Amino acid sequence: DIQLTQSPSFLSASVGDRVTITCRASPGIRRYLAWYQQKPGKAPKLLIFTASTLQSGVPSRFSGSGSGTEFTLTISSLQPEDSATYYCQQLNPYLTFGGGTQVEIK
Amino acid sequence: EVQLVESGGGLIQPGGSLRLSCAASGFSVDDYAMHWVRQAPGKGLEWVSGISWNSGSIDYADSVKGRFTISRDNGKNSLYLQMDSLRVDDTALYYCAKDIFGPLVPAGGLDVWGQGTTVTVSS
Repeated sequence: DIQLTQSPSFLSASVGDRVTITCRASPGIRRYLAWYQQKPGKAPKLLIFTASTLQSGVPSRFSGSGSGTEFTLTISSLQPEDSATYYCQQLNPYLTFGGGTQVEIK
Repeated sequence: EVQLVESGGGLIQPGGSLRLSCAASGFSVDDYAMHWVRQAPGKGLEWVSGISWNSGSIDYADSVKGRFTISRDNGKNSLYLQMDSLRVDDTALYYCAKDIFGPLVPAGGLDVWGQGTTVTVSS
């Protein structure tokens, strides 16, 4: 199986901060990774697919990068509405999710 | 409007069976891969099962393999999850989700989600 490790599990940042979440895969998964945002009581929302493609309608402050074993989700300027839990998901050959990162606004 | 609506959840005793349904509107389920994802109370997301656009590929998480069966009725534009031999640790909110692509793997990402249906396994 491919191990998918997401870090940190929790982060607290201020409005306007640049925030980075990391997802590590072992072994590598090329660019087969997606990122989701989930707010309490809501279904997850697709933010990024194939590691760096922004889903339609998602604000441009969200970006994804990486390939192989290390991937990052970056929020360039954190907004109050970005308070949520973020998950990565590998897309090939397994479809498992990372453990999640809870983002809190200070 | 593209929408998924799950139903069929409930309270069931360990060892029992349930069948979840997911009705799609605004798109055809036979054009895309479809998935079930669950979330135990206070926990993260767990992919459960997926089926490719033509039903040629089906897969399950190890935790449910041999107990759960995914299927689709193109005429009813619906997805199903038959859950047998249910265990307490199957308790979760079960989401139906649409892939952006047709093949099961490599998947593209899940771009449309239902609101979920709750399954509680308890004696």
